Formats: sequence, C-alpha cells, structure tokens
Amino acid sequence: DGGITQSPKYLFRKEGQNVTLSCEQNLNHDAMYWYRQDPGQGLRLIYYSQIVNDFQKGDIAEGYSVSREKKESFPLTVTSAQKNPTAFYLCASSIGGGVGEQFFGPGTRLTVL
Amino acid sequence: GDSVTQMEGPVTLSEEAFLTINCTYTATGYPSLFWYVQYPGEGLQLLLKATKADDKGSNKGFEATYRKETTSFHLEKGSVQVSDSAVYFCALSALGQGQGAQKLVFGQGTRLTINP
Repeated sequence: DGGITQSPKYLFRKEGQNVTLSCEQNLNHDAMYWYRQDPGQGLRLIYYSQIVNDFQKGDIAEGYSVSREKKESFPLTVTSAQKNPTAFYLCASSIGGGVGEQFFGPGTRLTVL
Repeated sequence: GDSVTQMEGPVTLSEEAFLTINCTYTATGYPSLFWYVQYPGEGLQLLLKATKADDKGSNKGFEATYRKETTSFHLEKGSVQVSDSAVYFCALSALGQGQGAQKLVFGQGTRLTINP
C-alpha cells in the first residue's frame, strides 16, 4: 500500500541534543512538507521541498534543518537551537506542480526532557 | 498574507444533531479549499475539498460549499455520529516559493465531541 511513514511514533530526547525525525513516502510525490502541531493550535509549516536537492523555509524554520537527497525521503533534524521542541511533528507529501492536496503521515510525538 | 479562521471550539453535540463548523479565509487569487480531520494521536486525513467558487465538496455525509462572495467554506453534516468525534481543520492552498510551489495554510482546528 502506498503511503507516508514516520518513525518513531514517540521520541524522547534530553535537552541540548539534536534529533532526526524520519519521513518516507512511496507515493512518488514530488513535494514534501514538515509541520509542527502544538496542543490546541493549528499546523505550522517548518520546511517544504518541491523537488530533490531543493527546499524552502516555512513559517517557523528556526532551530530546524532538513535535507532532500532522495525523492522518497525528507528527514527533519530538530537542533539544540530550537527553544521549545516538544511537539507533535507531521510530515506530508503532494504530487506537486501546483496541486494543493496533501497526504499526511501518522506523526511523531517528540518530548524533550 | 493568506489566512484561515475557524470557529472556536470545543464543540459538543448529541448524536444525530446538525453540525456546522464555520470557516472563513483571506487570500490573494483563487485558492483551493480543504477540510481535514484528525483523530486522536493520528495524522490528518483529507475529508473534502473544493477547487473553485460554488463548488461543493462532500464525503461521508459532510459537505462544504466554496463561497467566494463571503470568503467562506463552512463544514456541515445533517446527523452526526459518535465516530465523528475528532479535530477538524479548514485549510487553503497558497503559493509558496519556487516555481509551481504550493503550501497549505491551516486554521487553528475545531475539536468536536459527539455524545451518545
């Protein structure tokens, strides 16, 4: 079945450590996205990528980094510079080329202790 | 910039009640509009969409009509069930950076609880 995989579902890290969240899709989608969700709030865009080896900052990119070396993979690194990293992180993909609909993964809940 | 405003929650209804969740938007151009649903601990699922003015999106008994004159995309369902309990997000497509780039702008979400 085609879809988006995020791993792990729950992640715990100590303060000051970098952590990388995985996102893989087998939908053959060109575009991929990372969002952050905090309790009672909507989704905020962190980074997005329209094609391999290219990505753009979203609304809250500070303290995060990404790479897009393969079409199917878009890992997100939460660095120690992110002041409040505890949140639910969602990865999404879309066909691209101006098509708006996005497909979401199940999410990773990151807790920084 | 582009934005989406949803009615504040939480919303609590009894089973078989009529549901309306209001959504209005501000956008340049003519965006596509979406409703997504999120069940506890899960990612978002597309519920319905509309791509141009006067289009009606529908799915699983839910409906929403793209109203350009009132810049609205209200979600409705005639008779809700306990299984409809979830968080609902209204969103619009907006231009991103880069040729052909698109991104979604989300409302803050409305938590819906249906009691038996």
